[in-house]
Amino acid sequence: EAGVAQSPRYKIIEKRQSVAFWCNPISGHATLYWYQQILGQGPKLLIQFQNNGVVDDSQLPKDRFSAERLKGVDSTLKIQPAKLEDSAVYLCASSPVVAGELDIQYFGAGTRLSVL
Amino acid sequence: AQSVSQHNHHVILSEAASLELGCNYSYGGTVNLFWYVQYPGQHLQLLLKYFSGDPLVKGIKGFEAEFIKSKFSFNLRKPSVQWSDTAEYFCAVMGPYNNNDMRFGAGTRLTVKP
Repeated sequence: EAGVAQSPRYKIIEKRQSVAFWCNPISGHATLYWYQQILGQGPKLLIQFQNNGVVDDSQLPKDRFSAERLKGVDSTLKIQPAKLEDSAVYLCASSPVVAGELDIQYFGAGTRLSVL
Repeated sequence: AQSVSQHNHHVILSEAASLELGCNYSYGGTVNLFWYVQYPGQHLQLLLKYFSGDPLVKGIKGFEAEFIKSKFSFNLRKPSVQWSDTAEYFCAVMGPYNNNDMRFGAGTRLTVKP
């Protein structure tokens, strides 16, 4: 079974530029998550999708971050404009059941973003 | 607010030593508990989980964890570590049914010296 795919693996940008990350979850997984992991900290949930609908985006800085999940499969996370404090690893995870039920999340390798 | 605390930032052990990594959470409701591991250069993967039932759960690679409800703890243990256990370990807590907000601890880096 293929895992969660993310691209790019690394991205370096200057502050105030825009950046986008892409995630392809495990086939058939209904729920998709984006996390931000700052160096020295655990992952922090940014947004959770169930199919193509948003379940929880309470921790997403909506003034600069946006995410979508077209057709309930792939997802993109965008930052516009980026700030220095956005430097982090952005993790995508997916789980096979409908949000609100207990299950296990499978993580991708992440995209490491450096904002200069 | 729900939070997860991992007591040790960095633990250094010799091979064959016993391991215990602490995890405490602050949440009043029913929770589901996880330990995830991230080996160098690899992605996060599930080590073990507790949803209900026997509070002593066994995971992969000889790891186990004990849920002590009265202490709000979910400590990870292994009787004899190997060099290949060198990794970062994250404790995570998921809220009750209808709330999939997963909160992670800051992580504990384990270094096992050969």
